[in-house]
Amino acid sequence: QKEVEQNSGPLSVPEGAIASLNCTYSDRGSQSFFWYRQYSGKSPELIMSIYSNGDKEDGRFTAQLNKASQYVSLLIRDSQPSDSATYLCAGISGGYQKVTFGTGTKLQVIP
Amino acid sequence: DAGITQSPRHKVTETGTPVTLRCHQTENHRYMYWYRQDPGHGLRLIHYSYGVKDTDKGEVSDGYSVSRSKTEDFLLTLESATSSQTSVYFCAISEEGHGPQHFGDGTRLSIL
Repeated sequence: QKEVEQNSGPLSVPEGAIASLNCTYSDRGSQSFFWYRQYSGKSPELIMSIYSNGDKEDGRFTAQLNKASQYVSLLIRDSQPSDSATYLCAGISGGYQKVTFGTGTKLQVIP
Repeated sequence: DAGITQSPRHKVTETGTPVTLRCHQTENHRYMYWYRQDPGHGLRLIHYSYGVKDTDKGEVSDGYSVSRSKTEDFLLTLESATSSQTSVYFCAISEEGHGPQHFGDGTRLSIL
């Protein structure tokens, strides 16, 4: 069982809608979580970091962490076609320096 | 953008040959990582370094070795390349071991 799980999608949302991306993790000792965006043929780009329970907002992006339920989510408000990409969830588990990545959720924003 | 340069960006080689990929950073970050990315598997950690000459294995380290003789350079070597090592390889750096990582542009490696 992979330590960080994501639905591979694709998740399709209309332009202007809220996109909700979810991620679950198995290691209760995980402390730090990250969301990356990866366009096709490009490298992952950090969008958000979240370290404590609750919500963290940055512009159109909100990351949510619930350690009791072991899930992390990313909300994208007012989705734009330029948000179409694969979103990777990552968490630090099983070791201080080792980040485990989910396989990613492909998001398609339909104009 | 974080100053990370991977070289080469593309390489085609034959089975059984040694291959070395280079990652160079200008951020003076302590931590450096090598990942491979394959369809259906996502990003998988090969090796990482937590300082000069300090390295450790990741989840898919068989067939790979690394070296870090300077803070800014982290080398990944495929000792005898196999077709299963055809992949996209990413280098990443991090200032803190528990903090976010920043990625280079990747190396697309094809082994025929």
